[in-house]
Amino acid sequence: TQLLEQSPQFLSIQEGENLTVYCNSSSVFSSLQWYRQEPGEGPVLLVTVVTGGEVKKLKRLTFQFGDARKDSSLHITAAQPGDTGLYLCGVRVGNQFYFGTGTSLTVIP
Amino acid sequence: KAGVTQTPRYLIKTRGQQVTLSCSPISGHRSVSWYQQTPGQGLQFLFEYFSETQRNKGNFPGRFSGRQFSNSRSEMNVSTLELGDSALYLCASSLIGDSPLHFGNGTRLTVT
Repeated sequence: TQLLEQSPQFLSIQEGENLTVYCNSSSVFSSLQWYRQEPGEGPVLLVTVVTGGEVKKLKRLTFQFGDARKDSSLHITAAQPGDTGLYLCGVRVGNQFYFGTGTSLTVIP
Repeated sequence: KAGVTQTPRYLIKTRGQQVTLSCSPISGHRSVSWYQQTPGQGLQFLFEYFSETQRNKGNFPGRFSGRQFSNSRSEMNVSTLELGDSALYLCASSLIGDSPLHFGNGTRLTVT
């Protein structure tokens, strides 16, 4: 059983559309991170959310941490081809880092 | 500031062989962790080293091992390779255990 479940698994949209991806768990976390991985590269940290209900914005990306700190969402406004990639949520539990199953996003020009 | 460097980028091995992958962390980072990424299983934790000590190990067989040197550089070794070991192996470094991870671009291992 995966600690973090992400949905949808795959997403293909037209440039300019909006989208939301989700990261869910039944466990409570002290913080949660979102990463983006482009083909041929390693994941790159986008944001860390710490407080329940917290909302963070990174240009057209909006991240929210659930009130109960069990889930998180990533909303992209007016998606661009440069947003294409694998989006991963991750949490540290003890000395181990766990990643979600990932959402593969393709933005078509 | 140089990022995390992994060598080699690509590797092709045959079943039964062994392989050693290398990771040079960002200068000053003392924690190095390794991950296996496959289409079916996603990104899975292998092990983490901090100041030359293995602090945690994921659910992988004993064929997977690693070590960290005094300069924080790390190596992982896979012995008696199996076809299922084909994957992208990623290394990440962090300043201390709780800080964000900085990944290298990985080593793509293909076992034939």
